[in-house]
Amino acid sequence: KNEVEQSPQNLTAQEGEFITINCSYSVGISALHWLQQHPGGGIVSLFMLSSGKKKHGRLIATINIQEKHSSLHITASHPRDSAVYICAAGRWGGSEKLVFGKGTKLTVNP
Amino acid sequence: DVKVTQSSRYLVKRTGEKVFLECVQDMDHENMFWYRQDPGLGLRLIYFSYDVKMKEKGDIPEGYSVSREKKERFSLILESASTNQTSMYLCASSLAPPGGYEQYFGPGTRLTVT
Repeated sequence: KNEVEQSPQNLTAQEGEFITINCSYSVGISALHWLQQHPGGGIVSLFMLSSGKKKHGRLIATINIQEKHSSLHITASHPRDSAVYICAAGRWGGSEKLVFGKGTKLTVNP
Repeated sequence: DVKVTQSSRYLVKRTGEKVFLECVQDMDHENMFWYRQDPGLGLRLIYFSYDVKMKEKGDIPEGYSVSREKKERFSLILESASTNQTSMYLCASSLAPPGGYEQYFGPGTRLTVT
């Protein structure tokens, strides 16, 4: 079993829909990261969180430490949100290395 | 604006060639990473460096070596390229511990070994 599991693997939505991507992890973490990768390769860090909730524009990330679960929400989705979203866990104990989920490919149709 | 740059976006090499992939960051970060990304497997860590001349093996170091002679530069070396090393290679950097620091990624190098 992978230490970081994401669901769903693929997600297709219509423009304007509310989207949720889930991430479960089995390791003790210092922080949970959400990353975005557009076609072409470049990866951008969206959020890094260790408790509660963070919001940036239409994106919201939440984490439940007790349940070892995090969600990424996109409100009022738009075709430009189409990308692969990757969850990554920073292991507890001072390790800077991340454990990555396999990613969720999101397609938002106009 | 923070920046991680990689020497090439696309590279085609022949089996057996020695390949150098270079990564440069301008953020004075202590940590630098090399990953490869393959469909269905996600990002996998090849090597990690936490200081100049210091390195640590990642999950898949076989067939690779690294060099970090200066803080801003981290090179990945394929000693004798093989077709199973065809992949997307991504470099990243981050600040030193405590853990949980954000990683900044380069644009990636798509390497094809024929």
